[in-house]
Amino acid sequence: EVQLVQSGAEVKKPGESLKISCETSGYTFTRFWIAWVRQVPGKGLEWMGIIYPADSDTRYGPSFQGQVTISADKSLSTAFLQWRSLRASDTAIYFCARVPLFFTENQLNTQFDSWGPGTLVTVSS
Amino acid sequence: DIVMTQSPDSLAVSLGERATINCKSSPSVLYSANSGKYLAWYQQKPGQPPKLLIYRTSIRESGIPDRFSGSGSGTDFTLTISNLQAEDVAVYYCQQYNSSPLMYIFGQGTKLEIK
Repeated sequence: EVQLVQSGAEVKKPGESLKISCETSGYTFTRFWIAWVRQVPGKGLEWMGIIYPADSDTRYGPSFQGQVTISADKSLSTAFLQWRSLRASDTAIYFCARVPLFFTENQLNTQFDSWGPGTLVTVSS
Repeated sequence: DIVMTQSPDSLAVSLGERATINCKSSPSVLYSANSGKYLAWYQQKPGQPPKLLIYRTSIRESGIPDRFSGSGSGTDFTLTISNLQAEDVAVYYCQQYNSSPLMYIFGQGTKLEIK
């Protein structure tokens, strides 16, 4: 069974750093990409970025480039999302999701097929 | 930037009736010509992560009831929920994949309620 288990809720102050995790199991970690998605409470979904753990190829959404760092540890089958200096506007739920991004029957699979439960990050002074 | 616009923002449908949600992409010069078919739909219930319903415009994810169907091409896509059930109350999102540059864009969401 594919599982994505995310680290627990965090409460931080503005300016603090943070690294949250997404531990995967039930599949070959290096065969799939991992995406991160932000959801401000009561609002919609925003794609933040995506990483291919096999070679750490990472892409960021325009709004998140330079604001966060996405990484992965193959030995732990875990992906990470990191901030150097949090702001109040970073308060949100952060989801990780598995993404095939490979071809089957000559068709590319781009969908987010399994999701973690989300990590609530609260940034407040 | 590519923008995905869903309509309506919310709708109320009677049990057993049909719900239709639309999604339109407004591509920019960065839009990859073949990205149109990589359209997915997700369902999100309160307090839960999104759940994949449909991918590649019309393919139902394993385990999704055949009451859910997707259609469309180019820049206009539709999610149809037939024979609406109480458990279908949720927010629905469309999502577009763009290959170059690699990026994903979500629609703003459509809230579905029971009338």
